[in-house]
Amino acid sequence: DTAVSQTPKYLVTQMGNDKSIKCEQNLGHDTMYWYKQDSKKFLKIMFSYNNKELIINETVPNRFSPKSPDKAHLNLHINSLELGDSAVYFCASSPDEGYNEQFFGPGTRLTVL
Amino acid sequence: EDQVTQSPEALRLQEGESSSLNCSYTVSGLRGLFWYRQDPGKGPEFLFTLYSAGEEKEKERLKATLTKKESFLHITAPKPEDSATYLCAVLSTGTASKLTFGTGTRLQVTL
Repeated sequence: DTAVSQTPKYLVTQMGNDKSIKCEQNLGHDTMYWYKQDSKKFLKIMFSYNNKELIINETVPNRFSPKSPDKAHLNLHINSLELGDSAVYFCASSPDEGYNEQFFGPGTRLTVL
Repeated sequence: EDQVTQSPEALRLQEGESSSLNCSYTVSGLRGLFWYRQDPGKGPEFLFTLYSAGEEKEKERLKATLTKKESFLHITAPKPEDSATYLCAVLSTGTASKLTFGTGTRLQVTL
């Protein structure tokens, strides 16, 4: 059974488009995250949700909007995509806000043309 | 601002050749230091959390240690399947629960 799943795995789109990435975890964890990994493999947190409530919102453009319909899902919607948004986006979850035992999804590679 | 520096950037070992990876950090106060392994094309895999200086944790051929300024990931008698990028991250007391990652050490273990 996949612990943290993301769809799609690859996303290729044109500048200016709007796209969404979905994430689901079946671990019963309370906290979920979105990370961005750039071309140099640097991993940076974007958002953190605990029990559907936003905990962290790093310096991310407001074109990025996370949505948590329930504790097991955290989706990421991106408006007006730009070239610089091209990266691998990882969803993750952990039992609580302390990041311990954090499980990552397989990643979504977003390419903006 | 929290800072994490990992060295070396890349390391090539022969099978059985033990070595250590370094993670130096600067934080206002440490809540936790985390080690992850990342294979190409996959998400990071959690390895260890260390909370205070002097703490050590082991898993198979890996052992993580922590001082007030740095952490080491010791790899004893590595095998080719240990090849991966190893990431270090810190959680500090003053950053509203934000995890800060280093840029990783890319380890290659050859036969």
